[in-house]
Amino acid sequence: DTEVTQTPKHLVMGMTNKKSLKCEQHMGHRAMYWYKQKAKKPPELMFVYSYEKLSINESVPSRFSPECPNSSLLNLHLHALQPEDSALYLCASSSSGRNTGELFFGEGSRLTVL
Amino acid sequence: QKEVEQDPGPLSVPEGAIVSLNCTYSNSAFQYFMWYRQYSRKGPELLMYTYSSGNKEDGRFTAQVDKSSKYISLFIRDSQPSDSATYLCAMISGANSKLTFGKGITLSVRP
Repeated sequence: DTEVTQTPKHLVMGMTNKKSLKCEQHMGHRAMYWYKQKAKKPPELMFVYSYEKLSINESVPSRFSPECPNSSLLNLHLHALQPEDSALYLCASSSSGRNTGELFFGEGSRLTVL
Repeated sequence: QKEVEQDPGPLSVPEGAIVSLNCTYSNSAFQYFMWYRQYSRKGPELLMYTYSSGNKEDGRFTAQVDKSSKYISLFIRDSQPSDSATYLCAMISGANSKLTFGKGITLSVRP
């Protein structure tokens, strides 16, 4: 199994809603990432978990809250988002706990904030 | 000057053409160089990964790194319509540092 699976594929939410994005990998990878990608832009790093511990937070607003329940799962909890947060949210994993640039990406969750 | 510069495109070529995609960078600490391919509405997929200066070939794809000129290239031979996608160069200075992407170039291969 060489996949990173993200759910849901599409999500529409209001600014007062609370929702979560989920990511799962069964490759035994020890680092997992959240990226945000706006249209026609490259992915922007949000968070990195290494060995289930948060190792990098790229100064992301607190309305985004990551969680890593175990080595296979990564969640992104969303609360009180703004319309400008509408984007493709990508989860990725890498085999070791160290980022060498070899990332496996999921297909993404396309978020629309109304 | 941005750390990584990539021709913005878009680029349209006929099927069978040789495609050359390029990135330049300013940070001499970058050691690992990647090309990711991203199809529309999909996540990026690692296409090529190189460490040192020189060429690396994989089927119709060749990645070239010239550290002295701070220049990387991806060549696609005998391009196919299925190669139509956005290509992102990416680089990193060392393990645990941040991956830096180019802006990406959208390639369209016309049948």
